[in-house]
Amino acid sequence: DAGVTQSPTHLIKTRGQQVTLRCSPKSGHDTVSWYQQALGQGPQFIFQYYEEEERQRGNFPDRFSGHQFPNYSSELNVNALLLGDSALYLCASTYLRADLRRGNTIYFGEGSWLTVV
Amino acid sequence: GENVEQHPSTLSVQEGDSAVIKCTYSDSASNYFPWYKQELGKGPQLIIDIRSNVGEKKDQRIAVTLNKTAKHFSLHITETQPEDSAVYFCAASKYNDMRFGAGTRLTVKP
Repeated sequence: DAGVTQSPTHLIKTRGQQVTLRCSPKSGHDTVSWYQQALGQGPQFIFQYYEEEERQRGNFPDRFSGHQFPNYSSELNVNALLLGDSALYLCASTYLRADLRRGNTIYFGEGSWLTVV
Repeated sequence: GENVEQHPSTLSVQEGDSAVIKCTYSDSASNYFPWYKQELGKGPQLIIDIRSNVGEKKDQRIAVTLNKTAKHFSLHITETQPEDSAVYFCAASKYNDMRFGAGTRLTVKP
């Protein structure tokens, strides 16, 4: 049973460029969340996708956008990259359909390390 | 929104001793409280979780306690081993909107 998989694992971009990160959720999961983790800090919630729609969003600018596909996989796009966007980007998945109110177990991928120079 | 505070930020113990990490949360509607272990260069790994209708949960050397009235929860690791050395994160979730603490770097000295 494959867990949450993310690609690429590492990438370097130049300030002002755009980046796309990809995530495949754990088998059987229908919901994907994205987090940004700066060095030495806890993960910060970016947004969550369920049924191909953005369900919740954290305190991140519109430069951060996403998409969920019919197979539940997801992409995170960041436009006009800033040096401060350098971080580990984590994808997490869960199964939400049973009960939207219930706290469901969330599993993380290994992350994509983004360096902006 | 939810605010999670975690203490201490660093913790050093001798192998075999116990380690305790504490977290507080602000939103009384939060109903799910997981703990994650993160090793260098890896994603967070779920080690134990507790829901708001339970006060304590134990899994071998790891236990978590929850005090809903005081809005705090704690991770207890007994008989620590060098491989327990990592960064530990607590989190609080409401309607699957999960917020994390800043993390505790645990070092277990052999």
